[in-house]
Amino acid sequence: DTAVSQTPKYLVTQMGNDKSIKCEQNLGHDTMYWYKQDSKKFLKIMFSYNNKELIINETVPNRFSPKSPDKAHLNLHINSLELGDSAVYFCASSVERGDTQYFGPGTRLTVL
Amino acid sequence: QKEVEQDPGPLSVPEGAIVSLNCTYSNSAFQYFMWYRQYSRKGPELLMYTYSSGNKEDGRFTAQVDKSSKYISLFIRDSQPSDSATYLCAFRRNRGSTLGRLYFGRGTQLTVWP
Repeated sequence: DTAVSQTPKYLVTQMGNDKSIKCEQNLGHDTMYWYKQDSKKFLKIMFSYNNKELIINETVPNRFSPKSPDKAHLNLHINSLELGDSAVYFCASSVERGDTQYFGPGTRLTVL
Repeated sequence: QKEVEQDPGPLSVPEGAIVSLNCTYSNSAFQYFMWYRQYSRKGPELLMYTYSSGNKEDGRFTAQVDKSSKYISLFIRDSQPSDSATYLCAFRRNRGSTLGRLYFGRGTQLTVWP
């Protein structure tokens, strides 16, 4: 009965590689988000999609590209990974924009 | 001035203590006030949510909002070891193109020892 799930849970990769993180929610929500949490626990929004449409795009390098194939999925693709990309990435969803957000368990990305 | 300020702690208290966690904010457009709890290696989960000044109580937890001072607090009564977690304050506007965007504090790490 998982609500918001992410894969993989851990990702260790070399600098320069390209990687993807997948997110799925089975709550029937319309809005999904990607957040980045740095080593000091600071949680900052990266993107938000509402019904597959991009509605929030913070100042994020264009190496990061979100893709929403349908309402229940929001994937994050990262090109040319850098050391500074090491963080925990959280997916979240809400019924609509402005509603309570439910977070996934996170994907811990380590770039070597 | 940062939009949200939160003392990261760490805060360590004995079981049964009353815990007070606080955040200040500078953006008058913030109209919704939340507290999230994040256990180690887990995602944040919503603990308390309010949109008006005053107090809101839920069991051992009380959220307090003072809009005039731009100050919010979370009180935990009779704290338990299971309350050990990082507590993040979060804020949201009620309109505009960034509706839905949450602005988080840095989180306060709390340890309740038996």
